[in-house]
Amino acid sequence: DADVTQTPRNRITKTGKRIMLECSQTKGHDRMYWYRQDPGLGLRLIYYSFDVKDINKGEISDGYSVSRQAQAKFSLSLESAIPNQTALYFCATSDSGTGWYFGPGTRLTVL
Amino acid sequence: DQQVKQNSPSLSVQEGRISILNCDYTNSMFDYFLWYKKYPAEGPTFLISISSIKDKNEDGRFTVFLNKSAKHLSLHIVPSQPGDSAVYFCAASGVENAGNMLTFGGGTRLMVKP
Repeated sequence: DADVTQTPRNRITKTGKRIMLECSQTKGHDRMYWYRQDPGLGLRLIYYSFDVKDINKGEISDGYSVSRQAQAKFSLSLESAIPNQTALYFCATSDSGTGWYFGPGTRLTVL
Repeated sequence: DQQVKQNSPSLSVQEGRISILNCDYTNSMFDYFLWYKKYPAEGPTFLISISSIKDKNEDGRFTVFLNKSAKHLSLHIVPSQPGDSAVYFCAASGVENAGNMLTFGGGTRLMVKP
């Protein structure tokens, strides 16, 4: 089984809709992250969490919110989706050292 | 402004030859650097890393070189194989990044021709 799973893998939605992307991990890591990938820009950090009670904004948090439901679960929400949020979204986990593990990604299209 | 840059969006190499992927950074507080490989429809996977106390790290066909004075690192793949065709991301982390967050470059698409 994969260490980091994301659901859904693909999603098409309309402008103004609320959407949630979910992430689960079996690594037992405290630290979880949401990144967004756009062509030519690499992966940019949206939000990160060091433990269940800790949530922090990343580089591009506007228009997004997150929830850390448990150590193993970290969800990303778009309260009112807009077309420029069309992107690939990756969840990641890390230990306190130098190991990062990424999920397979969610391809989101906002029409 | 991007703190980590990969100025070549794509690179094409013949099988068996060397692939050299480059990465530049601007933040002198970065002290740990990683390369990730990404296939379509998959998440990035860790390839190799280097700490700022070293200038070279080798793992099989993959070698990463770090030039701190130039704020430049490169990934060498020798010999290149068709299975190496993927997008490669350079990433950096620093002590000032609470939680050791990664800052990524824009990626380089490597195509290894048989």
